Amino acid sequence: SAVISQKPSRDICQRGTSLTIQCQVDSQVTMMFWYRQQPGQSLTLIATANQGSEATYESGFVIDKFPISRPNLTFSTLTVSNMSPEDSSIYLCSVDMGQGVGETQYFGPGTRLLVL
Amino acid sequence: AQSVTQPDIHITVSEGASLELRCNYSYGATPYLFWYVQSPGQGLQLLLKYFSGDTLVQGIKGFEAEFKRSQSSFNLRKPSVHWSDAAEYFCAVGTNRDDKIIFGKGTRLHILP
Repeated sequence: SAVISQKPSRDICQRGTSLTIQCQVDSQVTMMFWYRQQPGQSLTLIATANQGSEATYESGFVIDKFPISRPNLTFSTLTVSNMSPEDSSIYLCSVDMGQGVGETQYFGPGTRLLVL
Repeated sequence: AQSVTQPDIHITVSEGASLELRCNYSYGATPYLFWYVQSPGQGLQLLLKYFSGDTLVQGIKGFEAEFKRSQSSFNLRKPSVHWSDAAEYFCAVGTNRDDKIIFGKGTRLHILP
């Protein structure tokens, strides 16, 4: 298993500002994922972040809005840029502990973001 | 592309009663299937997963799920629910082509005392 922490756990931000969310894992992992969970909704994958390469974004998500860093095998950041109230969500990072989706994804506790 | 349908948005059962949460998936090959639980204010916790082999999968907290290929279903069951089982339950599907997991919209479980 993996222990995943996220910072901040929650934040309230003003429209037009940016917030960087950190994800730390207690072991080295190749694949990390960032999800968004809008109020009352399910999880939507934003992007996949592999160490040493550019993040791969899902349809509807772009790097300018959600830049991601993956400097090493235990850490990643997601920035929510130029925020609007529609960005109010829970943002979760997850890691794949196996050699593919055939193994298991573990999730962080999430960052609850409210944009005013 | 794969997809997941959880037809029930809310389910209410009495404590001690049996539970079944429905999940249907769409994927052309053998999927990898998961059930996660999200308690209020908590992160996601994996209950169980199916990759291959025995179609009846045992998970944590007394949950089990059965993969039925003919019905494209992976329903979650528990013989006797506890008040602490009140939470949001997500069914998810993955493939062996990439490492993405697609989540259903979730079923919120309410427990009556």
